Amino acid sequence: QKEVEQDPGPLSVPEGAIVSLNCTYSNSAFQYFMWYRQYSRKGPELLMYTYSSGNKEDGRFTAQVDKSSKYISLFIRDSQPSDSATYLCAMKGSNYQLIWGAGTKLIIKP
Amino acid sequence: DTAVSQTPKYLVTQMGNDKSIKCEQNLGHDTMYWYKQDSKKFLKIMFSYNNKELIINETVPNRFSPKSPDKAHLNLHINSLELGDSAVYFCASSQTGPGGYTFGSGTRLTVV
Repeated sequence: QKEVEQDPGPLSVPEGAIVSLNCTYSNSAFQYFMWYRQYSRKGPELLMYTYSSGNKEDGRFTAQVDKSSKYISLFIRDSQPSDSATYLCAMKGSNYQLIWGAGTKLIIKP
Repeated sequence: DTAVSQTPKYLVTQMGNDKSIKCEQNLGHDTMYWYKQDSKKFLKIMFSYNNKELIINETVPNRFSPKSPDKAHLNLHINSLELGDSAVYFCASSQTGPGGYTFGSGTRLTVV
């Protein structure tokens, strides 16, 4: 079993919809949770960073961490075609080694 | 001014050749990484250097050799290239601790 599980998709939704992307993990020592966005033929870029449990909001993006369920989510409100990309979750424990999900390909249809 | 820059962006070469990819970061980070991303987009760590010292060396063929002349540079040399080496190689950097990584734009390697 992988330490971090993420559905690779693709996930296709119409423009304006709310998107929910998720990852589950098995290591309870993870404390630092990240979402990266990767456009085609580009490097991943850090989108959201959360420490421990709770929510964090940045514009149309909300990151949510539920450590009791070992489950993290990224919500995108009012989705735009420019949000079409691969979204990768990643997380760290106290050894600071970053463990990656497989990435979910998101397609926003105009 | 690009934070993590890697060259070349594209590399097409024949089997058996030797090639190098260069990476430089101007963020003052103390740790640099090489990742391989396959066609399914999974990011696989290959090497990690902290202040020029190798700290992670995942199971990669010894045809791959990283070299860090200083903490702002991490190069990747590949000997005797094989078809299975075709992938996108990303360089990244970070500061030791809980923060995230900054990635370069990738080098798309095609071995023919």
